[in-house]
Amino acid sequence: AQKVTQAQTEISVVEKEDVTLDCVYETRDTTYYLFWYKQPPSGELVFLIRRNSFDEQNEISGRYSWNFQKSTSSFNFTITASQVVDSAVYFCALSTGANNLFFGTGTRLTVIP
Amino acid sequence: DAEITQSPRHKITETGRQVTLACHQTWNHNNMFWYRQDLGHGLRLIHYSYGVHDTNKGEVSDGYSVSRSNTEDLPLTLESAASSQTSVYFCASSEFSTGPENSGANVLTFGAGSRLTVL
Repeated sequence: AQKVTQAQTEISVVEKEDVTLDCVYETRDTTYYLFWYKQPPSGELVFLIRRNSFDEQNEISGRYSWNFQKSTSSFNFTITASQVVDSAVYFCALSTGANNLFFGTGTRLTVIP
Repeated sequence: DAEITQSPRHKITETGRQVTLACHQTWNHNNMFWYRQDLGHGLRLIHYSYGVHDTNKGEVSDGYSVSRSNTEDLPLTLESAASSQTSVYFCASSEFSTGPENSGANVLTFGAGSRLTVL
């Protein structure tokens, strides 16, 4: 069975602080894909990143970075120098062998100006 | 530009009524999905389709049905709405993948969501 755990329900930071959103996944498949989606207050779901299980390289995109560690089954997301526009619910998701996603319960990030 | 459109965006209905939420995509994607979003549960898969005339049950399919008569549309029907079905519903689509190395790799494109309240 597949499972994604986002233990942090809500996080608040002051603008310009760094923040890390945790994601732990469970799967018995050796081939799988991990995703992060952002849901801003407007409600739509915005794709941020996709990673496959064979690529453990960390990725950086501007102020966003992702740390994938198979040894701990984690795919954490860090926002550097947070901004008010980063306030959103962030979902981690897992896909294995089928064209659908298993989502975590989300982490609500509030960036205080 | 290609898009995925959900309608209605907001609906209030009464227990026992039939409700249909529409989803229309112009991406020409083979795969389409319906999710519901509830506090504390994230998004959960209701039904999905890999192509015309194909439908499959997801994690929380009881009380819901879908049909796929063309590539563009996957309407979600609640045969007899219940208060437990009050939720935000998201439709999504993705390209078809072939081969195990690509399976599960596709990025889902989501609609804007439909908020359903069942009184």
